[in-house]
Amino acid sequence: DAGVTQSPTHLIKTRGQQVTLRCSPKSGHDTVSWYQQALGQGPQFIFQYYEEEERQRGNFPDRFSGHQFPNYSSELNVNALLLGDSALYLCASSLGPSGRASYNEQFFGPGTRLTVL
Amino acid sequence: TQLLEQSPQFLSIQEGENLTVYCNSSSVFSSLQWYRQEPGEGPVLLVTVVTGGEVKKLKRLTFQFGDARKDSSLHITAAQPGDTGLYLCAGEFEDSNYQLIWGAGTKLIIKP
Repeated sequence: DAGVTQSPTHLIKTRGQQVTLRCSPKSGHDTVSWYQQALGQGPQFIFQYYEEEERQRGNFPDRFSGHQFPNYSSELNVNALLLGDSALYLCASSLGPSGRASYNEQFFGPGTRLTVL
Repeated sequence: TQLLEQSPQFLSIQEGENLTVYCNSSSVFSSLQWYRQEPGEGPVLLVTVVTGGEVKKLKRLTFQFGDARKDSSLHITAAQPGDTGLYLCAGEFEDSNYQLIWGAGTKLIIKP
């Protein structure tokens, strides 16, 4: 049973560029959440997708956008990259529209390490 | 804005010792979760606590949720090198629309 997979593993970009990160959820899961984890910090919730729509959003600017495809996979796009966007980007999948981690267990992928120079 | 404080930030102990790490908030949790994260991997859920005063055990790990649902602790008995990792607590708050708010974690190293 394949778990959550993310690509690429590592990425280096320069300020002002745009980046797309990809996530495939655990088999059978239909909800995808994205988190940003800066070095030495806990993850911060970016947004959650269910039924190809953004259902919840954290306190992130519009430069962060996403998409969910009919097969439940998801992309995270970040425009106009800033140095402060350097972080580990985690994708988590779960089953069901509740949106509450206490109701539906989230399974995390290994993350994409983004470095902005 | 809800904030979670975890302490200590870093802990290095010998194999066989006991330890406790803490997670505190000034606001009442709707629920609280503990995760463990290893280098190069995403967090893995250990436990979810919901009821004030709740105690859950997972082998040598004991999780307690404070009576007022503002704090939680994780106690490890007879720590082993395999317990090494970053321990994160994450809480749901009604005021934040139940989005998970995460602590910065406790980095635990168990030396053989």
